[in-house]
Amino acid sequence: KAGVTQTPRYLIKTRGQQVTLSCSPISGHRSVSWYQQTPGQGLQFLFEYFSETQRNKGNFPGRFSGRQFSNSRSEMNVSTLELGDSALYLCASSAGTSLQYEQFFGPGTRLTVL
Amino acid sequence: DAKTTQPPSMDCAEGRAANLPCNHSTISGNEYVYWYRQIHSQGPQYIIHGLKNNETNEMASLIITEDRKSSTLILPHATLRDTAVYYCIVRVAGGKLIFGQGTELSVKP
Repeated sequence: KAGVTQTPRYLIKTRGQQVTLSCSPISGHRSVSWYQQTPGQGLQFLFEYFSETQRNKGNFPGRFSGRQFSNSRSEMNVSTLELGDSALYLCASSAGTSLQYEQFFGPGTRLTVL
Repeated sequence: DAKTTQPPSMDCAEGRAANLPCNHSTISGNEYVYWYRQIHSQGPQYIIHGLKNNETNEMASLIITEDRKSSTLILPHATLRDTAVYYCIVRVAGGKLIFGQGTELSVKP
């Protein structure tokens, strides 16, 4: 089975712009979660989607949003980019939402905001 | 906030077993213990998870104490490629993973 794929792998934007990141989960997985990793804050949970519905949301401003499509692929959007949004954005997929289902991570998208 | 406490760093000799401890004294009865590792700038890699019984797979063994307040991840024969940051995570209701600072394991020749 192919793993979780994320596109693009690297992205450079300027302050005030917006960006959309894409995640394709492992085939058959219906749950997709997003995480942000920065040197200062570590890995932080952004949100989780299951069957096109947001089930859980972390403590991030409304500039961060996401959605999931009927084929389970997910996108996250960050509007009005700030320098502090520079981070590695990770997507993880899971077969379901039960605590016993492992989350498998993709390679991440490295976003740099100038 | 993370519900786990791990030592910030550990060393291990190549070929020896690496035993990584984790404290999770506030774990609830239905919360799972998960272990991931992350090699610099890559996505975290799933290793193993358990509820209350000891678990073993091709990568590692997970030993959970009877009171479930602590656990140990065991890499039986560490190699240089096992050098990474290892995260012990208590997965709470709602399903999200709350990462702490992890243990930076250095495997030395």
